Amino acid sequence: QQPVQSPQAVILREGEDAVINCSSSKALYSVHWYRQKHGEAPVFLMILLKGGEQKGHEKISASFNEKKQQSSLYLTASQLSYSGTYFCGTEMGNNAGNMLTFGGGTRLMVKP
Amino acid sequence: KAGVTQTPRYLIKTRGQQVTLSCSPISGHRSVSWYQQTPGQGLQFLFEYFSETQRNKGNFPGRFSGRQFSNSRSEMNVSTLELGDSALYLCASSFGLEGTDTQYFGPGTRLTVL
Repeated sequence: QQPVQSPQAVILREGEDAVINCSSSKALYSVHWYRQKHGEAPVFLMILLKGGEQKGHEKISASFNEKKQQSSLYLTASQLSYSGTYFCGTEMGNNAGNMLTFGGGTRLMVKP
Repeated sequence: KAGVTQTPRYLIKTRGQQVTLSCSPISGHRSVSWYQQTPGQGLQFLFEYFSETQRNKGNFPGRFSGRQFSNSRSEMNVSTLELGDSALYLCASSFGLEGTDTQYFGPGTRLTVL
């Protein structure tokens, strides 16, 4: 089942913060976050495993709330380079192999 | 180190034809996954190959098939093309370890079916 991302789109000014949510109706084992710029390949940002661990990557961090089956991606002090479409990919279980189910994406535009 | 490469980058075919896409993974990676990306359906998992064997399969018809060679390079084949097959086809490679694994995507092949 496809996870639901919200919001679908967001416009920011440089320096503003944003939160992107990824929710699933089923129990998740892991959540993977990617950013894709127009005409380019998705770029890996981070993985979160169940357990509620929060991870950080420069000014981008994420959390995983196991009770809510929701992951949130936090973008702080946004830069122009943060513009793109953010996808969450989910795995239901710790099975062998890769089989990500992606959300519909969140379009983020950062303006000067 | 070199990233994931895909060839060709662009393809135009007509309905009923077949097409083969190629993916070369990052050196040392043994898993290759294929995804279809369209504006309407988003990113959808096609299948994954590991050590020349299909390990996982998504919900696509049998017209979509793939294979992996001993050097981990993978090919994807679509037979009897339909208009709805027009999409960006992405492959992603990883070490293929048990459990959660980071996948690195290639630039994709843009397929247009006329």
